[in-house]
Amino acid sequence: GQQVMQIPQYQHVQEGEDFTTYCNSSTTLSNIQWYKQRPGGHPVFLIQLVKSGEVKKQKRLTFQFGEAKKNSSLHITATQTTDVGTYFCAGAPEGGSEKLVFGKGTKLTVNP
Amino acid sequence: KAGVTQTPRYLIKTRGQQVTLSCSPISGHRSVSWYQQTPGQGLQFLFEYFSETQRNKGNFPGRFSGRQFSNSRSEMNVSTLELGDSALYLCASSLNRGGIYGYTFGSGTRLTVV
Repeated sequence: GQQVMQIPQYQHVQEGEDFTTYCNSSTTLSNIQWYKQRPGGHPVFLIQLVKSGEVKKQKRLTFQFGEAKKNSSLHITATQTTDVGTYFCAGAPEGGSEKLVFGKGTKLTVNP
Repeated sequence: KAGVTQTPRYLIKTRGQQVTLSCSPISGHRSVSWYQQTPGQGLQFLFEYFSETQRNKGNFPGRFSGRQFSNSRSEMNVSTLELGDSALYLCASSLNRGGIYGYTFGSGTRLTVV
C-alpha cells in the first residue's frame, strides 16, 4: 500500500534558526496536506497543495509540492517558540483511493 | 460554526472492559474518520464512515468497531480493552470522503487502560 515517509522525526533548533521537514510518498499524489499539532493539542489543517511544483506561503511558512507530485516540504524561516509542535504531512493518492495517508510527523522543539 | 466535538475528553478503563467514544462532526460534513494516536506510532487510521456506511478500514482487530448515525454523528467502540489500547483517539470530520480535501480534527478522547 501507499506509504508516506517524513523526515526528520525530530528537530531541535535555536529560536531564529530555520527549519525544514520533508515528506516523500511511494506513489503519485493528487494532493498533499500539512497539519500542525501543538503539544497536548490535536492536528490542525494548515494547507493543501494540488499542482505539480506548487509553492505556497503563509507568513514565515513555505510549502512546496514536488514536480513529480511525490514529495513535499515545509520550511519555516526564523523559528519562534510558537512554532513548537509536530508537523504532519498527509497525501491523497492519485487514482481514486479516497483515503488520506499520514506521515509519522516531525516534532519541532525551539530553544528560546 | 461549531467545530468537531468529541466526548468524553478523558477516560480511564480497566483491562477487559469496553468503551464507546462519540464524535459530532461539523454541520454538513458527512464523513467521519477515526484515528488512534500513540507517541511512537503517529496517526493510525481506524476507519471512515460516510453516509452511515463504513467506507475504509485500517489494520486494527475486530475489537475496534464503529457506526454512524443519520445525523452524521459517529461512535467508535472498543471491546475487551487491552493496555496497548491506551491512546489519544481522534475524530476527523470532512465534507468529502477520505479527507482528500482536508480534515478538521476534534480535540480527541484520551483513553487510559489500567
